[in-house]
Amino acid sequence: AAGVIQSPRHLIKEKRETATLKCYPIPRHDTVYWYQQGPGQDPQFLISFYEKMQSDKGSIPDRFSAQQFSDYHSELNMSSLELGDSALYFCASSLRGSQGRQPQHFGDGTRLSIL
Amino acid sequence: DAKTTQPPSMDCAEGRAANLPCNHSTISGNEYVYWYRQIHSQGPQYIIHGLKNNETNEMASLIITEDRKSSTLILPHATLRDTAVYYCIVRVATSGNTPLVFGKGTRLSVIA
Repeated sequence: AAGVIQSPRHLIKEKRETATLKCYPIPRHDTVYWYQQGPGQDPQFLISFYEKMQSDKGSIPDRFSAQQFSDYHSELNMSSLELGDSALYFCASSLRGSQGRQPQHFGDGTRLSIL
Repeated sequence: DAKTTQPPSMDCAEGRAANLPCNHSTISGNEYVYWYRQIHSQGPQYIIHGLKNNETNEMASLIITEDRKSSTLILPHATLRDTAVYYCIVRVATSGNTPLVFGKGTRLSVIA
């Protein structure tokens, strides 16, 4: 079965540079979530989108922005990168459903390293 | 903040059942219990979820106590590939889809 596709898998940037991470959800999934996992940490929710509109917002820094496009893919844009932004970034997708019955399915992540 | 408490680590012999406990004493009536696992920096993998009834699928069984304040994830025949961090997550289920709040999880080591 098709899974969530993230690109790139690995990305190396220097401080103060910008980065764009892409996420292609499972076909027919309409909701996309972004999570950040720092070294030795647990995944932390950043932001989510449903039908191209922001749905929930977590601990996303003001330097980051994201959007969902008409084909449901999403991009996470990161500016003024800092050393502390080095992390795994996961995208997940799901079908919007009532009463939280729809599980989220995760991609394999993008490993971002800031030098 | 996560609404669940799990032991930080557990060991299980290969081929035996792995029983992973989770406490969620403040769970609300409209909140589901979800289980995910993460194998060495891969993306978290959905395992199972339930509201109040016990659930079973091809991966695991979920046993929820009658008062819903705790649950147990059961891997019936653990293999080395089941070594991972297992997360028990309580998820608000008012409307639509809500984000997952990950706690510390349990690091399960399956030993040959």
